[in-house]
Amino acid sequence: DAKTTQPTSMDCAEGRAANLPCNHSTISGNEYVYWYRQIHSQGPQYIIHGLKNNETNEMASLIITEDRKSSTLILPHATLRDTAVYYCIVYSGSARQLTFGSGTQLTVLP
Amino acid sequence: NAGVTQTPKFQVLKTGQSMTLQCAQDMNHEYMSWYRQDPGMGLRLIHYSVGAGITDQGEVPNGYNVSRSTTEDFPLRLLSAAPSQTSVYFCASSPPGRRSNYGYTFGSGTRLTVV
Repeated sequence: DAKTTQPTSMDCAEGRAANLPCNHSTISGNEYVYWYRQIHSQGPQYIIHGLKNNETNEMASLIITEDRKSSTLILPHATLRDTAVYYCIVYSGSARQLTFGSGTQLTVLP
Repeated sequence: NAGVTQTPKFQVLKTGQSMTLQCAQDMNHEYMSWYRQDPGMGLRLIHYSVGAGITDQGEVPNGYNVSRSTTEDFPLRLLSAAPSQTSVYFCASSPPGRRSNYGYTFGSGTRLTVV
């Protein structure tokens, strides 16, 4: 599976949109972009995933560039409870594992 | 409540002791896996199973055994605990079918300390 690059940390004001970028320039055509988050030391929580089209669910929106080399996770109205480490993962579904990098520590400030 | 249940939540072992970490899911998920997370690092796959009776090794399998006798349960056994196995252990599962169509559900973790 392709590797991903994310900023180490980001801050966001409570109530504002949090935009978390991810670069995955070596992504293959059959690989999906997944986002998970980990609050404190809890188990990772699935947020959203997509292949080519932009996706939206009750938690977030995922914007994938047309060339698929990068994506952005958007939390539309960040709350203090969204403070977590966010992982961007490229995954084909046929691999044996999700490969977690270092992720982005998002801190939502009051 | 539906989900992945891990027990115990905390455990302290002496070097050389053995123990079993339990993982159970009630979502009829076909795929189950065990990860470990060391401080400040991402998760690494230990073992996984694609169905009852089928298991395989992940990235860091040494010192661990698994079995999958039922769809619901996937225990992880530490054969002879070592301080290097001090970590947080997570169990995960995903539904049948093409796994790229679904997210994984993770348990809340077992925090293991080996002294």
